[in-house]
Amino acid sequence: KQEVTQIPAALSVPEGENLVLNCSFTDSAIYNLQWFRQDPGKGLTSLLLIQSSQREQTSGRLNASLDKSSGRSTLYIAASQPGDSATYLCAVGNNNNDMRFGAGTRLTVKP
Amino acid sequence: GAVVSQHPSWVICKSGTSVKIECRSLDFQATTMFWYRQFPKQSLMLMATSNEGSKATYEQGVEKDKFLINHASLTLSTLTVTSAHPEDSSFYICSAPRMNTEAFFGQGTRLTVV
Repeated sequence: KQEVTQIPAALSVPEGENLVLNCSFTDSAIYNLQWFRQDPGKGLTSLLLIQSSQREQTSGRLNASLDKSSGRSTLYIAASQPGDSATYLCAVGNNNNDMRFGAGTRLTVKP
Repeated sequence: GAVVSQHPSWVICKSGTSVKIECRSLDFQATTMFWYRQFPKQSLMLMATSNEGSKATYEQGVEKDKFLINHASLTLSTLTVTSAHPEDSSFYICSAPRMNTEAFFGQGTRLTVV
């Protein structure tokens, strides 16, 4: 059974810092990996989707990498802003497109 | 714009009543949809896989008689929480894969049972 782990569970940084969120998964036979943002009491906002054949995806200040063989992904956020404060979820998809989620990293960016 | 629509976004119901949540794929057909549940301060857990024209498959520990799933058309799946109790209060969210590429998520439904 696929297990997804996210480290750290919580992170607090001053505005402007670059930061890295980590995600690891136990079964490397994945279809894709997706990073989401979830604000308190809200739904999911898709940030980046990496297909299993890809190594990384970039969108604005966000860069996600995937190392399928080692079961790892990282989300890099450049020049963090207070508006980036949220919980970031990593989810691994299999070929049926159901997804297994990590517990999330709760990010606080202080002004 | 949203490609998967979920309704309602929030609902409050009395203990013992049933609540139906709808999940629609807006511009594509989805033979499979997924239902997830998220308890406060926890991550999303897959509850069941909704299959168009056949029975849903449930994850271990999820009561199929309590969480009724109907996938009567290629664009609509419904989740009915029967005889709801306060412990069923949670955030329920559906997803639908489009052409086996990316899974799109609904907006979620926050259920509060009082």
